[in-house]
Amino acid sequence: DGGITQSPKYLFRKEGQNVTLSCEQNLNHDAMYWYRQDPGQGLRLIYYSQIVNDFQKGDIAEGYSVSREKKESFPLTVTSAQKNPTAFYLCASSASGTRNEQFFGPGTRLTVL
Amino acid sequence: AQSVTQPDIHITVSEGASLELRCNYSYGATPYLFWYVQSPGQGLQLLLKYFSGDTLVQGIKGFEAEFKRSQSSFNLRKPSVHWSDAAEYFCASSNFGNEKLTFGTGTRLTIIP
Repeated sequence: DGGITQSPKYLFRKEGQNVTLSCEQNLNHDAMYWYRQDPGQGLRLIYYSQIVNDFQKGDIAEGYSVSREKKESFPLTVTSAQKNPTAFYLCASSASGTRNEQFFGPGTRLTVL
Repeated sequence: AQSVTQPDIHITVSEGASLELRCNYSYGATPYLFWYVQSPGQGLQLLLKYFSGDTLVQGIKGFEAEFKRSQSSFNLRKPSVHWSDAAEYFCASSNFGNEKLTFGTGTRLTIIP
C-alpha cells in the first residue's frame, strides 16, 4: 500500500530537548511538506522540499530544522528554540505536475512538558 | 499573497439535512482548489479538487463543490449528511507556479440526530 507514515503517533518531551519527527513516503513523490496545526488556526507551513537535498522555509520555520537526504524521507527536528512546540504536526507529499495536490500522513502529536 | 477564507468556524446540521460549507479564495487568476476532511486526531483526506473545466466537481463520500469565478468561491455541498460526516473541513488553493497550498482555517461540522 502506498502512503505516508509518520512516527510516532504521540511524542512527549521535556522542555529544552530537541526532538525529531519522522515522515516517510513510498508514493515516489518529489515534494514533501511539514505543517503545524493548532486549534482554530488551520495548517501553517513549516518547511517544504521540492527535491532531494533542497528545502525552503515556510511561514513559521523559526525553531525548526529539516533535512532531505532521500526522496522518501523528510524528518523534522523541533529544537529547543521553538517557544511553543506543543502541537499536532502533519507531513504531506505531492507529485510533480499535480498542481500541489497533497497527500497527508496521519500526524504526530507532540507534547512538551 | 493568496488567502483562503472559510467564514464559518462551526456548523451544526441535523442528520439527513443538506450541507453547504463556504470557501472564498483571494487570487484572481485561475486557482487550483481543494477540499480536505479531517477526523479528530487524524491526517487530512482529499475530498475533491478543481483545476479547470466543468465548474461542478464530484468527490468522494457524496460531496460536490461548485467553482464560481464571479464570487471567488468554491463551496462544498452534500444533499444529505450522515453522522459519519462529522469532522473538520479545510478548503485550500494554489495556482500555476506556486509551490505551496494555502489553507483556510477550517470549518468544524457537528451532526445532531
